[in-house]
Amino acid sequence: DTGVSQDPRHKITKRGQNVTFRCDPISEHNRLYWYRQTLGQGPEFLTYFQNEAQLEKSRLLSDRFSAERPKGSFSTLEIQRTEQGDSAMYLCASSTIAGPGTDTQYFGPGTRLTVL
Amino acid sequence: QQQVKQSPQSLIVQKGGISIINCAYENTAFDYFPWYQQFPGKGPALLIAIRPDVSEKKEGRFTISFNKSAKQFSLHIMDSQPGDSATYFCAASRGYQKVTFGIGTKLQVIP
Repeated sequence: DTGVSQDPRHKITKRGQNVTFRCDPISEHNRLYWYRQTLGQGPEFLTYFQNEAQLEKSRLLSDRFSAERPKGSFSTLEIQRTEQGDSAMYLCASSTIAGPGTDTQYFGPGTRLTVL
Repeated sequence: QQQVKQSPQSLIVQKGGISIINCAYENTAFDYFPWYQQFPGKGPALLIAIRPDVSEKKEGRFTISFNKSAKQFSLHIMDSQPGDSATYFCAASRGYQKVTFGIGTKLQVIP
């Protein structure tokens, strides 16, 4: 399967702990996006990368959140000092900018975070 | 500010019926309008998409109707099946930038 993969699929942590999620995009996709989805809502944009450059960050991305894509391939999303309000599904998507008709974002299965 | 408004939030349709979900957008800079289908515990999967220079697009049982002047678009699912039971999101984006999603419609197709 050459789709977007995310690890772990589920994470339970205690309030105040740090967590890190990983996303592996579709091979050769140069854009990588992070979204957050809470129950009963649509995904909300957090940030995106083109290759290794982080091009946009949402206001939702507080100082406790940091994302990296060091070699332009996989990406990590770290949440420091987790709070109960961080409980959500964290989704990763990727796309290519190879020209017209290629701007579809393909989503991974998500990482379900529960903060106790 | 909710840039993509979606209705209804839940929908129950009998097997074989037509499911209709409506969306409206505000930002006229949007140039790509995908629909995503999401099953519980899974990520959203692209179902069908349309660009504003086209008024209708059909793929199998799924049709998008697009009204650029009204800034509205809708998804029609013909001959709805129990396997179509899922949450559907309309969405919009500009170029290769972030996707803005609607709130979602939970569709239940009953036998």
